Amino acid sequence: KQEVTQIPAALSVPEGENLVLNCSFTDSAIYNLQWFRQDPGKGLTSLLLIQSSQREQTSGRLNASLDKSSGRSTLYIAASQPGDSATYLCAVGDYKLSFGAGTTVTVRA
Amino acid sequence: DVKVTQSSRYLVKRTGEKVFLECVQDMDHENMFWYRQDPGLGLRLIYFSYDVKMKEKGDIPEGYSVSREKKERFSLILESASTNQTSMYLCASSLGRGRRQYFGPGTRLTVL
Repeated sequence: KQEVTQIPAALSVPEGENLVLNCSFTDSAIYNLQWFRQDPGKGLTSLLLIQSSQREQTSGRLNASLDKSSGRSTLYIAASQPGDSATYLCAVGDYKLSFGAGTTVTVRA
Repeated sequence: DVKVTQSSRYLVKRTGEKVFLECVQDMDHENMFWYRQDPGLGLRLIYFSYDVKMKEKGDIPEGYSVSREKKERFSLILESASTNQTSMYLCASSLGRGRRQYFGPGTRLTVL
């Protein structure tokens, strides 16, 4: 069974600092990997999807890398802002997604 | 923009009641999903549907059933609600296998 781990569970940074969020998975035979954002009490917002054949994907200040051989993905958020404060989750799979527990980010003004 | 809506944001029901949670998507997506989210356990897939009238069990289907009579609507049914089904329920949809999943705002269900 696929296990997805996100470390650290929580992160606090001053505004303007770059964020680095980690995701690891046990089975490298993934279909794709998705990163989501969740605000308290709300649903998930899709941020990026990386197909298994890709090494990275970019959207604005967000960049996600994928290294299947080592079972890792990293989400980089450049020049963090207080509005980036949220929980970030990664998930792997095709139909059945396996989710990590998330990293809760606080960006201090 | 994809829009996924859920019938209620908050719901309070009593043990033993039959509960219906409705989800509607407006982007003609093939696939629809029901998850529950609990502190310490994360997001877990209950059921998904890859076509009208088609369904497949997820990781925790016990105590739940689903219905998909129309492409845009996916219902989750708790036949006899129990207190351990108190949770946040999230619906999602996607265009196809391995495509981005788009989530609704969630329904926080409390079973007393």
